Amino acid sequence: QQPVQSPQAVILREGEDAVINCSSSKALYSVHWYRQKHGEAPVFLMILLKGGEQKGHEKISASFNEKKQQSSLYLTASQLSYSGTYFCGFRNSGNTPLVFGKGTRLSVIA
Amino acid sequence: EAGVTQSPTHLIKTRGQQATLRCSPISGHTSVYWYQQALGLGLQFLLWYDEGEERNRGNFPPRFSGRQFPNYSSELNVNALELEDSALYLCASSLRGANVLTFGAGSRLTVL
Repeated sequence: QQPVQSPQAVILREGEDAVINCSSSKALYSVHWYRQKHGEAPVFLMILLKGGEQKGHEKISASFNEKKQQSSLYLTASQLSYSGTYFCGFRNSGNTPLVFGKGTRLSVIA
Repeated sequence: EAGVTQSPTHLIKTRGQQATLRCSPISGHTSVYWYQQALGLGLQFLLWYDEGEERNRGNFPPRFSGRQFPNYSSELNVNALELEDSALYLCASSLRGANVLTFGAGSRLTVL
């Protein structure tokens, strides 16, 4: 079952913050975040395993609430280079495939 | 080190024809995944191969099939093409049991 991502799109000015949310109706084993720039392949950002941990990658961090089966991606002090489509992906177990949401298109303008 | 390579980059077919897409994983990666990226639908999981075996299959009709060769490269076949099959097909590879996927640039299939 496909993760539900929100918002579908967001426009930010440089330096602003954004949050992208992702939820599942099933128990989760791991949460994955990828970014795809226009015309390019999706690129891995980070992975969060069960345990409610928070991880960071430059000024991009994420949290995983295992109880609520939700994950959020936090982008702080956004830069032009953050523009792209962000996908969350869920795995229900170690033996199930990575299933992605529909993506959130993020545009950062000067 | 070469990344995940896919061919062809672009492919144009007509309804009812068959399409074959190819993927070479990163050296040492034994798992290959196929995703369909159609407009507005995100990355939809198609197939997962590992060590030559099909591990899992997404919610696609049987006319979508594939295989993985002994050198871990993979092929995706789409039979009886329909207009809605037009999409970017992405291949990704990973080490066996690993969580991080590395994607190729994709093959864009257009069905007329």
